[in-house]
Amino acid sequence: KAGVTQTPRYLIKTRGQQVTLSCSPISGHRSVSWYQQTPGQGLQFLFEYFSETQRNKGNFPGRFSGRQFSNSRSEMNVSTLELGDSALYLCASSLVDSPDYEQYFGPGTRLTVT
Amino acid sequence: AQTVTQSQPEMSVQEAETVTLSCTYDTSESDYYLFWYKQPPSRQMILVIRQEAYKQQNATENRFSVNFQKAAKSFSLKISDSQLGDAAMYFCAYRSAGRRVGGSRLTFGEGTQLTVNP
Repeated sequence: KAGVTQTPRYLIKTRGQQVTLSCSPISGHRSVSWYQQTPGQGLQFLFEYFSETQRNKGNFPGRFSGRQFSNSRSEMNVSTLELGDSALYLCASSLVDSPDYEQYFGPGTRLTVT
Repeated sequence: AQTVTQSQPEMSVQEAETVTLSCTYDTSESDYYLFWYKQPPSRQMILVIRQEAYKQQNATENRFSVNFQKAAKSFSLKISDSQLGDAAMYFCAYRSAGRRVGGSRLTFGEGTQLTVNP
Protein backbone atom coordinates (compact mmCIF):
# COMPACT_ATOMS: atom_id res chain seq x y z
CA LYS A 1 0.00 0.00 0.00
CA ALA A 2 1.43 3.39 -0.94
CA GLY A 3 2.25 5.78 1.88
CA VAL A 4 1.26 9.39 2.37
CA THR A 5 2.49 11.54 -0.48
CA GLN A 6 3.08 15.26 -0.46
CA THR A 7 3.69 17.52 -3.40
CA PRO A 8 5.76 19.38 -4.13
CA ARG A 9 8.67 18.24 -1.98
CA TYR A 10 10.49 21.54 -2.24
CA LEU A 11 9.21 25.01 -2.98
CA ILE A 12 10.72 28.47 -3.08
CA LYS A 13 8.41 31.46 -2.96
CA THR A 14 8.77 35.19 -2.58
CA ARG A 15 7.36 37.17 0.32
CA GLY A 16 3.81 38.29 -0.45
CA GLN A 17 3.01 35.41 -2.76
CA GLN A 18 0.66 32.58 -1.97
CA VAL A 19 1.30 28.85 -2.04
CA THR A 20 -0.73 25.65 -2.14
CA LEU A 21 0.59 22.36 -0.81
CA SER A 22 -0.99 19.00 -1.50
CA CYS A 23 -1.31 15.83 0.55
CA SER A 24 -2.60 12.48 -0.65
CA PRO A 25 -3.40 10.17 2.26
CA ILE A 26 -3.02 6.43 2.34
CA SER A 27 -5.81 4.78 0.38
CA GLY A 28 -8.89 4.43 2.57
CA HIS A 29 -7.75 6.98 5.14
CA ARG A 30 -10.27 9.74 5.76
CA SER A 31 -8.49 11.88 8.32
CA VAL A 32 -5.73 14.28 7.32
CA SER A 33 -3.77 16.54 9.66
CA TRP A 34 -1.21 19.22 8.87
CA TYR A 35 1.78 20.33 10.95
CA GLN A 36 4.37 23.06 10.58
CA GLN A 37 7.93 22.31 11.68
CA THR A 38 10.44 25.12 12.23
CA PRO A 39 13.71 25.23 14.19
CA GLY A 40 12.35 27.93 16.47
CA GLN A 41 8.78 26.78 17.14
CA GLY A 42 9.18 23.04 16.66
CA LEU A 43 6.23 20.99 15.47
CA GLN A 44 2.93 22.82 15.60
CA PHE A 45 -0.52 21.59 14.66
CA LEU A 46 -2.20 23.52 11.85
CA PHE A 47 -5.51 21.78 11.22
CA GLU A 48 -7.26 18.48 10.76
CA TYR A 49 -9.83 17.39 8.23
CA PHE A 50 -12.16 14.45 8.29
CA SER A 51 -14.69 13.68 5.59
CA GLU A 52 -14.20 17.10 4.00
CA THR A 53 -14.86 18.94 7.28
CA GLN A 54 -12.33 20.82 9.37
CA ARG A 55 -12.47 19.16 12.77
CA ASN A 56 -9.74 21.00 14.58
CA LYS A 57 -7.61 24.08 14.05
CA GLY A 58 -4.36 25.21 15.62
CA ASN A 59 -3.33 28.70 16.60
CA PHE A 60 -2.33 30.08 13.22
CA PRO A 61 -3.45 33.28 11.47
CA GLY A 62 -6.19 33.25 8.88
CA ARG A 63 -3.57 33.32 6.11
CA PHE A 64 -3.34 29.57 6.65
CA SER A 65 -6.27 27.65 5.27
CA GLY A 66 -7.00 24.19 4.03
CA ARG A 67 -9.56 21.93 2.53
CA GLN A 68 -10.23 18.28 1.90
CA PHE A 69 -11.76 16.78 -1.18
CA SER A 70 -14.19 13.88 -1.51
CA ASN A 71 -11.30 11.51 -2.29
CA SER A 72 -9.69 12.58 1.05
CA ARG A 73 -6.84 14.42 -0.63
CA SER A 74 -6.10 17.63 1.18
CA GLU A 75 -4.58 20.95 0.30
CA MET A 76 -3.32 23.73 2.48
CA ASN A 77 -2.92 27.28 1.31
CA VAL A 78 -0.84 30.09 2.72
CA SER A 79 -1.57 33.57 1.42
CA THR A 80 0.61 36.66 1.66
CA LEU A 81 3.70 34.67 2.54
CA GLU A 82 6.05 35.95 5.22
CA LEU A 83 9.67 35.02 5.82
CA GLY A 84 8.58 33.23 9.00
CA ASP A 85 6.45 30.83 7.01
CA SER A 86 9.61 29.08 5.84
CA ALA A 87 9.22 25.60 7.29
CA LEU A 88 8.75 21.93 6.69
CA TYR A 89 5.05 21.22 6.32
CA LEU A 90 4.07 17.71 7.31
CA CYS A 91 0.86 15.93 6.54
CA ALA A 92 -0.41 12.89 8.40
CA SER A 93 -3.29 10.56 7.64
CA SER A 94 -5.23 8.00 9.61
CA LEU A 95 -8.12 5.71 8.91
CA VAL A 96 -10.51 7.68 11.08
CA ASP A 97 -10.06 10.53 13.53
CA SER A 98 -9.99 8.24 16.51
CA PRO A 99 -7.05 8.06 18.90
CA ASP A 100 -7.08 4.30 18.44
CA TYR A 101 -5.82 4.65 14.91
CA GLU A 102 -2.20 5.38 14.11
CA GLN A 103 -1.27 8.44 12.12
CA TYR A 104 1.11 8.01 9.20
CA PHE A 105 3.23 10.94 8.14
CA GLY A 106 4.28 12.02 4.69
CA PRO A 107 7.81 13.12 3.77
CA GLY A 108 6.90 16.79 4.02
CA THR A 109 7.11 19.84 1.79
CA ARG A 110 10.04 22.16 2.43
CA LEU A 111 8.87 25.73 1.83
CA THR A 112 11.42 28.52 1.61
CA VAL A 113 10.20 32.11 1.52
CA THR A 114 12.69 34.71 0.27
CA ALA B 1 -3.90 23.19 27.09
CA GLN B 2 -1.50 20.31 27.11
CA THR B 3 2.25 20.81 27.04
CA VAL B 4 5.08 18.38 26.39
CA THR B 5 8.64 19.03 27.49
CA GLN B 6 11.84 17.29 26.48
CA SER B 7 14.68 18.65 28.56
CA GLN B 8 17.51 16.96 26.67
CA PRO B 9 18.20 18.71 23.36
CA GLU B 10 20.99 16.25 22.56
CA MET B 11 22.01 12.80 23.72
CA SER B 12 24.68 10.40 22.59
CA VAL B 13 25.20 6.67 23.11
CA GLN B 14 27.72 4.07 22.12
CA GLU B 15 26.60 1.41 19.71
CA ALA B 16 25.14 -1.63 21.54
CA GLU B 17 24.58 0.32 24.74
CA THR B 18 21.38 1.61 26.32
CA VAL B 19 20.10 5.17 26.37
CA THR B 20 17.07 6.79 27.98
CA LEU B 21 15.32 9.86 26.61
CA SER B 22 13.18 11.91 28.97
CA CYS B 23 9.78 13.49 28.48
CA THR B 24 7.37 15.20 30.83
CA TYR B 25 3.93 16.49 30.06
CA ASP B 26 1.19 18.50 31.61
CA THR B 27 -2.51 17.83 31.22
CA SER B 28 -5.72 17.98 33.18
CA GLU B 29 -7.18 15.06 31.27
CA SER B 30 -7.28 11.57 32.67
CA ASP B 31 -7.43 9.67 29.42
CA TYR B 32 -4.88 10.25 26.69
CA TYR B 33 -2.20 8.68 24.55
CA LEU B 34 1.53 9.25 24.55
CA PHE B 35 3.88 8.56 21.67
CA TRP B 36 7.51 8.58 20.73
CA TYR B 37 8.24 9.47 17.12
CA LYS B 38 11.56 9.21 15.33
CA GLN B 39 12.57 11.67 12.63
CA PRO B 40 15.72 10.64 10.73
CA PRO B 41 17.54 13.01 8.36
CA SER B 42 15.01 12.14 5.67
CA ARG B 43 12.46 14.05 7.82
CA GLN B 44 9.95 11.20 7.63
CA MET B 45 8.22 10.91 11.00
CA ILE B 46 8.05 7.30 12.15
CA LEU B 47 6.06 6.04 15.11
CA VAL B 48 8.33 4.22 17.54
CA ILE B 49 6.00 3.34 20.37
CA ARG B 50 2.70 4.38 21.95
CA GLN B 51 1.22 4.18 25.42
CA GLU B 52 -2.41 4.42 26.45
CA ALA B 53 -2.75 6.30 29.73
CA TYR B 54 -5.33 3.87 31.11
CA LYS B 55 -2.88 0.99 30.80
CA GLN B 56 -0.55 0.55 33.74
CA GLN B 57 1.76 -1.79 31.88
CA ASN B 58 4.62 -0.07 30.10
CA ALA B 59 4.65 -0.51 26.33
CA THR B 60 7.52 -2.33 24.62
CA GLU B 61 8.43 -2.73 20.97
CA ASN B 62 11.49 -4.89 20.44
CA ARG B 63 14.47 -2.81 21.62
CA PHE B 64 12.27 0.14 22.58
CA SER B 65 10.43 0.41 25.86
CA VAL B 66 8.88 3.19 27.91
CA ASN B 67 8.69 4.06 31.57
CA PHE B 68 5.28 5.63 32.03
CA GLN B 69 4.71 7.33 35.38
CA LYS B 70 1.20 8.78 35.22
CA ALA B 71 1.21 10.49 38.59
CA ALA B 72 4.53 12.16 37.83
CA LYS B 73 3.45 12.87 34.24
CA SER B 74 6.65 11.36 32.97
CA PHE B 75 7.15 9.26 29.85
CA SER B 76 10.71 8.19 29.08
CA LEU B 77 11.96 6.09 26.19
CA LYS B 78 14.64 3.44 26.66
CA ILE B 79 16.54 2.19 23.64
CA SER B 80 18.46 -1.01 24.28
CA ASP B 81 21.30 -2.38 22.16
CA SER B 82 21.53 0.92 20.28
CA GLN B 83 22.21 0.68 16.57
CA LEU B 84 23.62 3.22 14.12
CA GLY B 85 20.21 3.38 12.46
CA ASP B 86 18.69 4.68 15.70
CA ALA B 87 20.42 8.03 15.18
CA ALA B 88 17.65 10.57 14.67
CA MET B 89 15.60 13.30 16.29
CA TYR B 90 13.14 11.81 18.75
CA PHE B 91 9.88 13.54 19.60
CA CYS B 92 7.59 12.85 22.49
CA ALA B 93 3.94 13.56 21.69
CA TYR B 94 0.57 13.76 23.44
CA ARG B 95 -2.85 13.08 22.04
CA SER B 96 -6.17 13.44 23.79
CA ALA B 97 -8.31 10.33 23.93
CA GLY B 98 -11.50 12.32 23.63
CA ARG B 99 -12.64 12.06 20.04
CA ARG B 100 -14.56 15.32 20.08
CA VAL B 101 -11.94 17.18 22.03
CA GLY B 102 -8.69 16.45 20.29
CA GLY B 103 -9.38 14.39 17.23
CA SER B 104 -6.07 13.50 15.69
CA ARG B 105 -4.20 16.48 17.08
CA LEU B 106 -0.72 15.73 18.41
CA THR B 107 1.16 18.03 20.76
CA PHE B 108 4.90 17.56 20.37
CA GLY B 109 7.88 18.20 22.60
CA GLU B 110 10.94 20.07 21.40
CA GLY B 111 12.79 16.94 20.39
CA THR B 112 16.01 15.17 21.42
CA GLN B 113 18.75 14.66 18.86
CA LEU B 114 20.24 11.21 19.42
CA THR B 115 23.73 10.42 18.14
CA VAL B 116 24.95 6.82 18.06
CA ASN B 117 28.71 6.44 18.14
CA PRO B 118 30.30 3.36 16.55
